[in-house]
Amino acid sequence: ETGVTQSPTHLIKTRGQQVTLRCSSQSGHNTVSWYQQALGQGPQFIFQYYREEENGRGNFPPRFSGLQFPNYSSELNVNALELDDSALYLCASSFFPETGVIDEQYFGPGTRLTVT
Amino acid sequence: ELKVEQNPLFLSMQEGKNYTIYCNYSTTSDRLYWYRQDPGKSLESLFVLLSNGAVKQEGRLMASLDTKARLSTLHITAAVHDLSATYFCAVDGTGGFKTIFGAGTRLFVKA
Repeated sequence: ETGVTQSPTHLIKTRGQQVTLRCSSQSGHNTVSWYQQALGQGPQFIFQYYREEENGRGNFPPRFSGLQFPNYSSELNVNALELDDSALYLCASSFFPETGVIDEQYFGPGTRLTVT
Repeated sequence: ELKVEQNPLFLSMQEGKNYTIYCNYSTTSDRLYWYRQDPGKSLESLFVLLSNGAVKQEGRLMASLDTKARLSTLHITAAVHDLSATYFCAVDGTGGFKTIFGAGTRLFVKA
């Protein structure tokens, strides 16, 4: 069974640029959530994708957007990068049955984004 | 709005001592998690608590859940240096969507 993977591991971007982060969900999982963790803080929920649609969003501006693909992998896109976007970005996958509650989520290793 | 509060935020303790980390949450939830995070690393799942009165133990760590009080505790028994890390509690919103994390407890165990 393959766990959650993320790429790249580290990334350095300049303010104003755009970035795309990638996540491959664990085998059998159909839901992906993205979190931002600034240094010294707890992870903050960005959004969740299920069946290729956004299924819930935290308090993040529209320049944070995402995609989920038919194989359940996902991308997080951030436009017009700001210095405060520097953080560890975590992806988590889980299984959402047709009826009932989403199962426990499993986290990937994260992507460290530095904006200069 | 679901909020999660942990205390203490920082804990320095001697090896061999016992201590408890507290996690309060503001609204009804389906699930509560405890995670460990080492510096620069991702989250390691420690416990998932689903029902009132649930108690789980792994090594020197024991977690419990009181859904009526909306309180979970993580108890550390006879701490060792290897337990030094940041511990987060997190709570799922209704239906399992939008997991909300506490600010974390930075634990340092002195040898």
